Amino acid sequence: QVQLQESGPGLVKPSETLSLTCAVSGGSLRPYYWSWVRQPPGKGLEWIGYISYSGFTNYNPSLKSRVSISVGTSKHQFSLELNSVTAADTAVYYCARHPGTSNWAWYFDLWGRGTLVTVSS
Amino acid sequence: DIQMTQSPSTLSASVGDRVTITCRASQSISSWLAWYQQKPGRAPNLLIYKASSLEYGVPSRFSGSGSETEFTLTISSLQPDDFATYYCQHYNSYPWAFGQGTKVEIK
Repeated sequence: QVQLQESGPGLVKPSETLSLTCAVSGGSLRPYYWSWVRQPPGKGLEWIGYISYSGFTNYNPSLKSRVSISVGTSKHQFSLELNSVTAADTAVYYCARHPGTSNWAWYFDLWGRGTLVTVSS
Repeated sequence: DIQMTQSPSTLSASVGDRVTITCRASQSISSWLAWYQQKPGRAPNLLIYKASSLEYGVPSRFSGSGSETEFTLTISSLQPDDFATYYCQHYNSYPWAFGQGTKVEIK
């Protein structure tokens, strides 16, 4: 079955760029939409943004000026970049799938296991 | 932006209890609401979508109801595997947002 796996550095310095990749195994990005969601330690969930299999994006306005999501060349992965990070960006970052491509499907039916990114010098 | 507020924040219950968690939206979201269960160190797991539709493979003791601004997640008979944190999420409009979570603890 389809599985998601996040990967990337676990430690990022303040003011630098956080970069993560989500690999989709057992399937491809088409025809779904894909999101990034984060969770600071001991806190709740925050939607970061999504990308379609064709590259259309939409971001949370609270992060829009610092975030970029892109599709990989293999069409089996997508990536997150968050620049100018601070300690407040320390969180577990999840990639997740939407079950469809219209507004009835803007929930998350499949999640990766998550990866902890710590922002510290 | 639409804000989601869950109550209670923590709930103590025993195996076999009927448990109800409430999620309120700051404005109408029709039925565009999902519920997730999260266990420590794990990713959230989808339970309910469109307010009352049970995700495939989720036990029937879980049910969702509500519309517009008030929603409930009910566990009809709490099982040991159900002790976890539960989150609601609206997807009516951008930005999508989650409630702050309700932790279900062993009484």
